Parts: sequence; C-alpha cells; structure tokens
Amino acid sequence: DVKVTQSSRYLVKRTGEKVFLECVQDMDHENMFWYRQDPGLGLRLIYFSYDVKMKEKGDIPEGYSVSREKKERFSLILESASTNQTSMYLCASRDRDRAYEQYFGPGTRLTVT
Amino acid sequence: GQSLEQPSEVTAVEGAIVQINCTYQTSGFYGLSWYQQHDGGAPTFLSYNALDGLEETGRFSSFLSRSDSYGYLLLQELQMKDSASYFCAVNTNAGKSTFGDGTTLTVKP
Repeated sequence: DVKVTQSSRYLVKRTGEKVFLECVQDMDHENMFWYRQDPGLGLRLIYFSYDVKMKEKGDIPEGYSVSREKKERFSLILESASTNQTSMYLCASRDRDRAYEQYFGPGTRLTVT
Repeated sequence: GQSLEQPSEVTAVEGAIVQINCTYQTSGFYGLSWYQQHDGGAPTFLSYNALDGLEETGRFSSFLSRSDSYGYLLLQELQMKDSASYFCAVNTNAGKSTFGDGTTLTVKP
C-alpha cells in the first residue's frame, strides 16, 4: 500500500512566519505534487517535481517555494506566511508510468493569523 | 490553460444510479481521472479513461468522449457511504493534472 504522510495535520502560524510543510512517500515514486484546497475551488496545483532536485511551477506558485533533496521527500515552504495562505494543503505522489493515478496524503490544515 | 466544469451538487437516494458530468477544455489532453474525497479525508483515485468509451470498476463506471471533451462518472446501487465529493481531473502530456472544483454527492435513505 502506498503511503503518503504529511508532517502535521493542523498548524497555526502567525503572519510573516516562515512555514515548512513536509511530505514523505514510501513507494519510490518519481513525481510529487503540492496542492491547496479551498471550499468551492477544488485542488489547485502549487508546485510539482518530476524527480529529485527538479521542480516546476504549478498554477498558483506565488508566495511558495519547494525543495526536493531526496526522492521520498517533498517540502513546501511559505517564505512569509500571509492570511490568504490559510488553507488545506495536500501532498501527492505518483509513479511516472501511471501518470493518471495520484496518491494523496491526509492534508495539513494551515491557519495563518 | 485548462478548465473543467462539473456540477457543484448532486442528490440521490440509496439504491439509485447517479451520473456526474465533466466537460473540459485543455491542450495536450492525455486522459481523464476521477477521485473521491470523503469529508475530512484525502482524495482517492477511482477511475481513468484515456480512450473513448466506458470503463467499469464494480459499482462505478467512467465514460469519455474525446471528440466532445466530455466525460462522466456513473455510480450504481448507491449506498450511504458514497456520500462524498467527486473530482474529475484532466491529465496532460506536460505531466500536470488539473482538477475540477468537485461535485458534492449526497445520498439520502
């Protein structure tokens, strides 16, 4: 069974803080993704990574950066958190040969006050 | 860019059949995936279509018409546990997936 884990289920941070969201997958998947999910807006892609040390901007990368130093770990960084980044953050991974099937982590609900 | 449209809400009774439609506009279309997400849970993969036609997986089926840029998810013999949000997602040859805004399905007894 593929397992995608995220470092925190709930997180509360103050405006201006630097925030790290960590994601780890245990199935040796090449591709990893970060989405944010807001009510009525579905899942919006922030960044994705095809492989180690590779990253591509998604649809809403502003205010975020990512790091992929190891294959199993993909980190999302909010350099200076703002209240409009309050959201549910979902990490996903997939096998590059089964590009239609993503495995999601449980999500981190981030509140920025 | 990509855009997808699916109904925001659908309601049906236990035992019934429900169809959730998805229309899309995209370049580099590769296929259409469907995901289920229960309240407070993570999205889980349900079904995928790369070619025209129907794919059946138990009570769930998914259909694609590439010429019409249209697909649907069909849920048969509805159960209470099928109450959830359902997302269609377009997969492109650029490697990205774009998700629709989701359809909330409520199954009533």
